[in-house]
Order: sequence, then structure tokens, then C-alpha cells
Amino acid sequence: DAKTTQPTSMDCAEGRAANLPCNHSTISGNEYVYWYRQIHSQGPQYIIHGLKNNETNEMASLIITEDRKSSTLILPHATLRDTAVYYCIVRLPTYSGAGSYQLTFGKGTKLSVIP
Amino acid sequence: GAVVSQHPSRVICKSGTSVKIECRSLDFQATTMFWYRQFPKQSLMLMATSNEGSKATYEQGVEKDKFLINHASLTLSTLTVTSAHPEDSSFYICSARISGTDTQYFGPGTRLTVL
Repeated sequence: DAKTTQPTSMDCAEGRAANLPCNHSTISGNEYVYWYRQIHSQGPQYIIHGLKNNETNEMASLIITEDRKSSTLILPHATLRDTAVYYCIVRLPTYSGAGSYQLTFGKGTKLSVIP
Repeated sequence: GAVVSQHPSRVICKSGTSVKIECRSLDFQATTMFWYRQFPKQSLMLMATSNEGSKATYEQGVEKDKFLINHASLTLSTLTVTSAHPEDSSFYICSARISGTDTQYFGPGTRLTVL
């Protein structure tokens, strides 16, 4: 699976949009981008995933650049409860035959939402 | 939907005893479950992959005789830490994959403290 690079930490004012970048310059054509977050002392929470197109759900939006070498997770109106470590993970789908169900967690970005 | 529970949430035990942690998928069937370990200020590290009805696959460096995994049904996997020692103190987290998808959903974690 391709490696990802994320900033170590970020701050965001409450009520503002939080934009979390992820670099995955070695991503291959059929690798998906997944985002999870982990609030302190809890298990990770699935947020969103995508392949090429931008995706949106009730939690966030995922913007993937046209060359797929980077992506941005957007929390449109950050709240204090969004303070967490956000993980960007790139992985092959299992239907490719080469993919694994495993998730490899890096260090992530610690997002602090400030009142 | 896609709720995973763990029990207990916190356990304190004496050195040399065994501890069993349960992971349940509450509203879906999980062909595959995963067990992770997380030490303070570190990221999650995969310990083993558990498939229903078959033996677990352990990651390199994880002792299968020490960390016994049983996945007897499509909704339950257990991790038993045998002869626990203080260095086994950690946050243990399970995840479950919805059959037919690549997305994993995580439990809330179990904090193990070995005295």
C-alpha cells in the first residue's frame, strides 16, 4: 500500500472549516484513500473513503486531486468534538486480488478545535 | 448501523493471570475481525487478523501462544492475553469488516493494566 504524509498537528477555530491534507504521491491507479479519526482513548471511527471522485457524506467531504497524489479531508463546521487524530490511509481494494483487508495506521494529524 | 462493541472497557489484573477481551459486531455479520494494540502516544499496530471458523493470522513479532484469538461466530471474536505481564499493558482495539466490503468498523477499545 502507498505511504502517506500528513502534518503532525493542526488547529482550527470552532465553527470554521477544517481542511486536513494528505500526500500520497506514490498512489497506484486502483488504490483507495480512506480517512479515519481517533478521539482520545476511543477506537478509530470511519469517516469517508474515495478513489477518484470527490466524496461527501454526513461527516465530511473528501477532495482528491486530479493526479490523485494528494487529498484533503474537509470538516465543514468544526466543533470541539472533532478534536482527534485523523488518519489518512491508502490501500488496494481486496477485489484486486493483491489487496488486503488490513489497515496500516501512520502517525496521523492531531487536529485541535479551539473555542 | 455498523456498531462494534468490546467488553470489558477497562481491566486491571495481576501479573501472571489471563484476561479475555470480547469483540462483537452488533448489527452486521463480520467474516473478518482484526485486533490492534496501541501504546501511549503511538499509533495502532495490527496484531492479528481473525477469520470466522479458521485460525488467526498473526503479525510478525506477535506471539500466537500468548495472544489467543478465537472467532467462533460471525459476530464474536475473543482475544485472550495469557500470563499477562506489565509490558502487556496497553489499549487493545478490535475492528470488524462488513462482509462484502473493505470498510472496517472499530470497537471502543479495552484498556488493560497489568500490575
